[in-house]
Amino acid sequence: ETGVTQTPRHLVMGMTNKKSLKCEQHLGHNAMYWYKQSAKKPLELMFVYNFKEQTENNSVPSRFSPECPNSSHLFLHLHTLQPEDSALYLCASSQQTGSNQPQHFGDGTRLSIL
Amino acid sequence: GENVEQHPSTLSVQEGDSAVIKCTYSDSASNYFPWYKQELGKGPQLIIDIRSNVGEKKDQRIAVTLNKTAKHFSLHITETQPEDSAVYFCASGTALIFGKGTTLSVSS
Repeated sequence: ETGVTQTPRHLVMGMTNKKSLKCEQHLGHNAMYWYKQSAKKPLELMFVYNFKEQTENNSVPSRFSPECPNSSHLFLHLHTLQPEDSALYLCASSQQTGSNQPQHFGDGTRLSIL
Repeated sequence: GENVEQHPSTLSVQEGDSAVIKCTYSDSASNYFPWYKQELGKGPQLIIDIRSNVGEKKDQRIAVTLNKTAKHFSLHITETQPEDSAVYFCASGTALIFGKGTTLSVSS
């Protein structure tokens, strides 16, 4: 039990499909994050939410659309993706936002774009 | 911009040996330095962290040291075991920046 659960674990989709990634945290945290992890590259922060409000968008293309209905749930809606978007997408949560907060990660969704 | 350099990128040791992974950072305002372990098919898991008001922290076989003057911090694993094999990431910065990771292989 990691405390942060991501579904699905694997997703294969075509470039014209629309799909959503889901993240749920059971830790009572107020901040949630989406990261992209590609081979041989550092973790890339995509979005940050604090108390359901988006506080950071790291120049992410509009084909990625986040949604945070409450502090426990986070979604990443995907549409018209490109092959270079194939990666592991990780969700994380922390008590508060801020770089001095320990983050707890889920096990990720492995996304493959055909 | 902020930068975190992590070395080495791969590290192979024999069971029982020690392993050391080093990170340097550029943001002098950094005050929190976590280390994460990522096993195959899993997400990163926080294994130890240190704040800038201390120079060293230990938790059983793992320890982290921090040199704020030189802007570097290190992860030390003693008496390595095969289950220590994983990718290790450091992070720091006012916007938490992760290193590129170190793949540690412990052979028995």
